[in-house]
Amino acid sequence: AQSVSQHNHHVILSEAASLELGCNYSYGGTVNLFWYVQYPGQHLQLLLKYFSGDPLVKGIKGFEAEFIKSKFSFNLRKPSVQWSDTAEYFCAVTPYYGNNRLAFGKGNQVVVIP
Amino acid sequence: ETGVTQTPRHLVMGMTNKKSLKCEQHLGHNAMYWYKQSAKKPLELMFVYSLEERVENNSVPSRFSPECPNSSHLFLHLHTLQPEDSALYLCASSQDGDSSGANVLTFGAGSRLTVL
Repeated sequence: AQSVSQHNHHVILSEAASLELGCNYSYGGTVNLFWYVQYPGQHLQLLLKYFSGDPLVKGIKGFEAEFIKSKFSFNLRKPSVQWSDTAEYFCAVTPYYGNNRLAFGKGNQVVVIP
Repeated sequence: ETGVTQTPRHLVMGMTNKKSLKCEQHLGHNAMYWYKQSAKKPLELMFVYSLEERVENNSVPSRFSPECPNSSHLFLHLHTLQPEDSALYLCASSQDGDSSGANVLTFGAGSRLTVL
């Protein structure tokens, strides 16, 4: 079964700082990759996804992620964060050929200080 | 609102109680899921229903009993739970059928369960 690793569970940074969250997965085949975000008191929602094509994926709210196949990574980035980016961020993976049985990482709790 | 509605949002129950969590999706999806979200742990997939049939049960204790009467509704019946079962229980739905697995899950807001 695939697994997903997210490091630095708690991240605290100031507004306008750059953010990068690491995500590594263990699965030897072709995968679909996702980042979900959970704002305080709100539901999990999709931030961006990668299925195929350009490995640099742009999502909502200025986020982007880069799929590096050789490193089994799908890191999330934002050049300049805002206070409203305070949330928990989850990386998830599912086999490209198969089903929607997402495997999630433990999440990164990001706090942006105004 | 995401199109996936969960009730109740908060539930406190004793270990001998019987309660149920409800999920309803208004997206026309044909697959529904229960996930358990505990602090500092990955989301755990509990059950999957596709076309109203249970297709996955990830070694979940029998004190959790799912029910999917139709493609729009999903229940999680709870009985004689333990304090360690306290968590946020998330329902999700998707449109299955695409073998690429590329369908996106839409989540509800969750039901926060506390077992005393």
